[in-house]
Order: sequence, then structure tokens, then C-alpha cells
Amino acid sequence: GAVVSQHPSRVICKSGTSVKIECRSLDFQATTMFWYRQFPKKSLMLMATSNEGSKATYEQGVEKDKFLINHASLTLSTLTVTSAHPEDSSFYICSANSVPGLRTEAFFGQGTRLTVV
Amino acid sequence: GNSVTQMEGPVTLSEEAFLTINCTYTATGYPSLFWYVQYPGEGLQLLLKATKADDKGSNKGFEATYRKETTSFHLEKGSVQVSDSAVYFCALSDRTGNQFYFGTGTSLTVIP
Repeated sequence: GAVVSQHPSRVICKSGTSVKIECRSLDFQATTMFWYRQFPKKSLMLMATSNEGSKATYEQGVEKDKFLINHASLTLSTLTVTSAHPEDSSFYICSANSVPGLRTEAFFGQGTRLTVV
Repeated sequence: GNSVTQMEGPVTLSEEAFLTINCTYTATGYPSLFWYVQYPGEGLQLLLKATKADDKGSNKGFEATYRKETTSFHLEKGSVQVSDSAVYFCALSDRTGNQFYFGTGTSLTVIP
């Protein structure tokens, strides 16, 4: 089946620094990828929809200048957490559909545990 | 709008016990329904799915039936194992099949 790879799986960074998370579709092209954030004991909350070759679409309440999304190719989307603060510590996970527009399941990356100290 | 309401956990069961995790949904149109599982330290994996009313999804002994009349998609397993310990998410996808809506997740711990 389709595979989505996310890297890194864990990262610890200092407050004020930026962290980049990569999401790759390994065996299919994804014109659209999705970035979620999971708070402790909460569900996944959609942060933004990443569109290849155009600007990302952010959900209400998500700061686009803080969470920069770049979808430069059909197999790669990146999420950069800029000027990270401890409250940004969370589990971030990306997903992509192998056949956009059809009711296929989403394939998820392994997730990235970000800890800001 | 679309939303998923899922039974809160945590749930602790003895090995070989019967499992039910309730899930109900609100949706416009005819969504597809899913159960995803997240093992410790890992991302989400599709467990099973159903794309239309009365469909039954099944995998690894788990089952869930798409009930339009009760807007439910409850997850069941007749005999759980320790290896089933994980967090289970109920989800629906909208008509485009692109955007997913998740429940809050239910943590399951199975003890020997």
C-alpha cells in the first residue's frame, strides 16, 4: 500500500529556534497533504492543507507565520515551526491521499514528537 | 458540519475480554467511516473502513458496521490480546475524500 514517511520522528529544540518537519509520499504523488497536531489526550486537529505549487490553506486559529508550510514537489511537504516555544511542544503528523478526490483512506506519516525546551 | 464523537477512555480489559468502543458521527451527505489505530510511539494506521451504509469493515478480528439510522460506527472485537493495547480513533472523511474528522481517541490497555 501507499506509504508516507515523516522525518524526524523526534526532535528537541531550544526556545526561539526553528524546526523543519518533512513529509514524503514514497510511492505515489500527492498534490495535497495535510498537517495535523495532536494535543495530549486530545484528537488530531487539522492545522493546514498543503497544496503543491501554491499556498497552504490554514485552519482558523493556526498562525501561518509561525507554521510555515511548503509543498515544493508532488512527493514532499514541509512544516517549519518558527521561533518555537514550549507551548508548541506536541505531536505533529502529516497525511496524504493516494488518489485525491476518491474515498480512499488517508495514509499517515509516523508523526514527529516535538519538544521545545 | 462534520464531527465525530467517540467513547472516552481509558479502557482497561483483561486478555480475551470483549471490546466495544462507541463512535457516533454527524455529517452532511454520505461520509466514509474509518477506525485508525495508533500504537505507542507510532503514527496512525488504518484498521478498517466502510464507505456506505450497512457496510461492515473488518480486520485483525476487529469489526465495525456503518449504521446510517443510528449514525454510528462502533468498534468491536470478541477477544482482545495484549498486543491490541493502543489508541483507537474513529474518523470520517467528507464527500471529497480529502479531509478527515477525528474523534478524541480511546486508549485501550489489555492486561494479561
